[in-house]
Amino acid sequence: GIQVEQSPPDLILQEGANSTLRCNFSDSVNNLQWFHQNPWGQLINLFYIPSGTKQNGRLSATTVATERYSLLYISSSQTTDSGVYFCAVLPTGNTGKLIFGQGTTLQVKP
Amino acid sequence: EAGVAQSPRYKIIEKRQSVAFWCNPISGHATLYWYQQILGQGPKLLIQFQNNGVVDDSQLPKDRFSAERLKGVDSTLKIQPAKLEDSAVYLCASSLGQNNEQFFGPGTRLTVL
Repeated sequence: GIQVEQSPPDLILQEGANSTLRCNFSDSVNNLQWFHQNPWGQLINLFYIPSGTKQNGRLSATTVATERYSLLYISSSQTTDSGVYFCAVLPTGNTGKLIFGQGTTLQVKP
Repeated sequence: EAGVAQSPRYKIIEKRQSVAFWCNPISGHATLYWYQQILGQGPKLLIQFQNNGVVDDSQLPKDRFSAERLKGVDSTLKIQPAKLEDSAVYLCASSLGQNNEQFFGPGTRLTVL
């Protein structure tokens, strides 16, 4: 089956710093989503981005489907950005089952 | 617009006991999913419904897990009997259709002692 790899696994930033999280996938996909899992376990939708670039405030994402990767940019990080960031893909031909990466754990220090 | 609702939020049971989780999806969403998230890992799909029919239950341990979505809206996931390795967060998600954006509920954290 498809492999989804996220890097780095862990990231520590000072408040105000910028960061880039990467998601590589091994096969073609119909759908890609980025989530933020907060300390209470809630998965919060960040982007639905099968291809192209989107921006939402301090966050932006780019997916290059032909090269099988996606990037999540966080600018001017805040302590509330802390948590686990997951990339999840819907492989082409799948019926809806999202395949998640292992996540990137981000800690933003004040 | 209300999000995906789940209950209970937490449950602690002894091994070999039974437990049930409830999910109410976003209004109008035809597709409903149950995922299991073990500590330190990403969520993994257990079962997917399209309206009240099962689309994918290939990863559901059917000897102990069951799920239903009788009227195509709410869903219940049951474990009977529970094992220690069932300790996890059970997440319900919904989407308009099978290839649409999925939205997740707050999850139920299950501890099996």
